[in-house]
Amino acid sequence: DAKTTQPNSMESNEEEPVHLPCNHSTISGTDYIHWYRQLPSQGPEYVIHGLTSNVNNRMASLAIAEDRKSSTLILHRATLRDAAVYYCILPTYDKVIFGPGTSLSVIP
Amino acid sequence: EAQVTQNPRYLITVTGKKLTVTCSQNMNHEYMSWYRQDPGLGLRQIYYSMNVEVTDKGDVPEGYKVSRKEKRNFPLILESPSPNQTSLYFCASRWGLGNYGYTFGSGTRLTVV
Repeated sequence: DAKTTQPNSMESNEEEPVHLPCNHSTISGTDYIHWYRQLPSQGPEYVIHGLTSNVNNRMASLAIAEDRKSSTLILHRATLRDAAVYYCILPTYDKVIFGPGTSLSVIP
Repeated sequence: EAQVTQNPRYLITVTGKKLTVTCSQNMNHEYMSWYRQDPGLGLRQIYYSMNVEVTDKGDVPEGYKVSRKEKRNFPLILESPSPNQTSLYFCASRWGLGNYGYTFGSGTRLTVV
């Protein structure tokens, strides 16, 4: 299974953009890149996913490197409610492996 | 509202007393799975089911059983719980193959004393 690596923690000021990086150097050609976030005492929540092209939705943007070995989740204006653990994962048809993720702190 | 519902949210039980944690989804999803989350170990997959009557082991299946008799339900059964199964459990579902997003339940915090 392809693995991902993320920084353990990051900080951002409120209302500023946040770029959360993820490395997945062993990604296969058919692996989708998914991002989830987990707020305290809640289940993981789907944020965004993509294959090759950059993707946007109401929550965030996903920028995927041309070689697909890394990606970046972009929160355009961080709010206090965005403080969470963010997971970058590469689910296969049967399983998904979660790493420790990036704990994002948002400073008022 | 599309959701995955787990019950109970909190459960304290004694060693050896059989228990079932229920999971139900209302999105007609084919794929369902169970995870446990422990400090420092992250989320680990226990069992998954690709469709009705099809279940398979994840990374940490020992001490757990599951069944998938109907598409919407995927209960997690602990026949003889032990203290090392004290954990936070999440159920998730997904439509189709891996290129679709997962929906997670709110979690069940289990304590075995």
